[in-house]
Amino acid sequence: KAGVTQTPRYLIKTRGQQVTLSCSPISGHRSVSWYQQTPGQGLQFLFEYFSETQRNKGNFPGRFSGRQFSNSRSEMNVSTLELGDSALYLCASSLASATDTQYFGPGTRLTVL
Amino acid sequence: AQSVTQPDIHITVSEGASLELRCNYSYGATPYLFWYVQSPGQGLQLLLKYFSGDTLVQGIKGFEAEFKRSQSSFNLRKPSVHWSDAAEYFCAGGQAGTALIFGKGTTLSVSS
Repeated sequence: KAGVTQTPRYLIKTRGQQVTLSCSPISGHRSVSWYQQTPGQGLQFLFEYFSETQRNKGNFPGRFSGRQFSNSRSEMNVSTLELGDSALYLCASSLASATDTQYFGPGTRLTVL
Repeated sequence: AQSVTQPDIHITVSEGASLELRCNYSYGATPYLFWYVQSPGQGLQLLLKYFSGDTLVQGIKGFEAEFKRSQSSFNLRKPSVHWSDAAEYFCAGGQAGTALIFGKGTTLSVSS
């Protein structure tokens, strides 16, 4: 069974630009969660999608948004990038709930210059 | 507020020695509790999970964790550490219908 895949693996953007990250969950998994990982803050929850609906949302500004498609693939978008958005963005999928076992992708490393 | 705390930022253990990584949680009711490991350049891998039942949980790679309700703790243990165990370890908690909350992680170094 293929694992969680994330594209691209690395991104370099400049302040003010926007970026879209993609996540393909494990086949059959309907819950997709996104996390931001930084050295100082650890893993911080961004949002969770289930059946194309946002089910939970973390404490991030509205510049961070996401969506989920009918095939459970998910994208997250960050608009008007700031230097502080530089981080590893991790996607995790699970069968139906964030408290089911989550399987993490390798992440997208975003650098904002 | 719900929280998961890992008091130790960095721990160094000699190869072959025992290991205990601490995790404390603050939830109104018993949460689901997890331990994940992240090796350099890799994604997070689940070591073990607890929800109910036996308070001593066995995981992969020889790890175990013990849930102690009285201490609001879920500490990770391994009797004999191998150099390949050097990584960052994350404790996480959650309740049905909510998102997981992760601790800030503990970096484990293994000395020879």
